[in-house]
Amino acid sequence: DAGVIQSPRHEVTEMGQEVTLRCKPISGHNSLFWYRQTMMRGLELLIYFNNNVPIDDSGMPEDRFSAKMPNASFSTLKIQPSEPRDSAVYFCASSLPLAGPSNEQFFGPGTRLTVL
Amino acid sequence: DQQVKQNSPSLSVQEGRISILNCDYTNSMFDYFLWYKKYPAEGPTFLISISSIKDKNEDGRFTVFLNKSAKHLSLHIVPSQPGDSAVYFCAARVGTASKLTFGTGTRLQVTL
Repeated sequence: DAGVIQSPRHEVTEMGQEVTLRCKPISGHNSLFWYRQTMMRGLELLIYFNNNVPIDDSGMPEDRFSAKMPNASFSTLKIQPSEPRDSAVYFCASSLPLAGPSNEQFFGPGTRLTVL
Repeated sequence: DQQVKQNSPSLSVQEGRISILNCDYTNSMFDYFLWYKKYPAEGPTFLISISSIKDKNEDGRFTVFLNKSAKHLSLHIVPSQPGDSAVYFCAARVGTASKLTFGTGTRLQVTL
């Protein structure tokens, strides 16, 4: 299995532009998570989906951020308009249905976003 | 409001010695704890976990200790190896919820 796939790996954009990050979870995983990593706050959960349905979006910083999961194999995180403070590494992770205590989340390699 | 805290941003340990990474939490509802390891330019990978019904879980060179009364857990790596150099994240979960709450991470450097 290829693992969680994220694209692009790096994105540099100018303030005010729209940014779309993409994620393909591991086949068969029904939970998908979007995280943001910063030095100050570590790994913050932005939103997660179960069976393509958003369950908890309380971590989404503001209305400029939106996420969709149109099907079980694809999700997007969009920032519009982007701001310099959005610069961070964004991770997507997926996991199997919770059948046991460990419920390990598998992370993608991340997208490093720089907003100038 | 940081519910999971890793107060040491970095740690340097000599090869062969013990590395101890600490994590504190404030939410008493957390009952499952995990450690993830992250190399540069890669996503975090699961390392070891512990349920709140236990106080210790061991897997090879890695042992996690949980002190519920102190709301504290620690990850021990012994002996430390240069390949252990990475950022370690502590995470916690409530019951069977999918959501994990992560700490800010501790960068471990194992020197020769």
